[in-house]
Amino acid sequence: LAKTTQPISMDSYEGQEVNITCSHNNIATNDYITWYQQFPSQGPRFIIQGYKTKVTNEVASLFIPADRKSSTLSLPRVSLSDTAVYYCLVGDRGAGGGNKLTFGTGTQLKVEL
Amino acid sequence: GAVVSQHPSRVICKSGTSVKIECRSLDFQATTMFWYRQFPKQSLMLMATSNEGSKATYEQGVEKDKFLINHASLTLSTLTVTSAHPEDSSFYICSAFLITDTQYFGPGTRLTVL
Repeated sequence: LAKTTQPISMDSYEGQEVNITCSHNNIATNDYITWYQQFPSQGPRFIIQGYKTKVTNEVASLFIPADRKSSTLSLPRVSLSDTAVYYCLVGDRGAGGGNKLTFGTGTQLKVEL
Repeated sequence: GAVVSQHPSRVICKSGTSVKIECRSLDFQATTMFWYRQFPKQSLMLMATSNEGSKATYEQGVEKDKFLINHASLTLSTLTVTSAHPEDSSFYICSAFLITDTQYFGPGTRLTVL
């Protein structure tokens, strides 16, 4: 399983764009990159997933360089409600890989006024 | 996204009793479900992989006789904490895997053992 490394914490202010970078040097060919958000006493919530280049949905963008050894989650114009822990995970989502995921430390994002 | 539910959301029990936690995939069939445990201020730790119709696969260090997992149908997996002790108090989270998609997590179950 590919190991991921993220900053332990980040601080931001409302209305700013936040970029959280994750390192996954040992990512395998079949691995996808997935980001989750977790609030206290809740299960992780799926944010976005990608394999390469750029993926965008209604809440975030995910940038993946050609070598796929890192990825960046971009949250546009954060608000107080975006204060949470963000996890970057890599795993094979196919039947053979079983999508087994290993959680790293995550990044505690704190958004202030 | 797909919806995964857990029941109960929180449970308090006496030391020595057994507690069952249910995990259901509400709008899809999941051949594989996962069980995690999370202690305060820590990340999620994978406990076991639950496969429908077969025995669960436990991570190293997780006692399979203490944490019984049953995955009897494509939408239901259960985790039973047998003879619970205060050190088993934790936040237990399940997830269901949708092939070629991703894992979707349940809301979690807070277990407190007195």
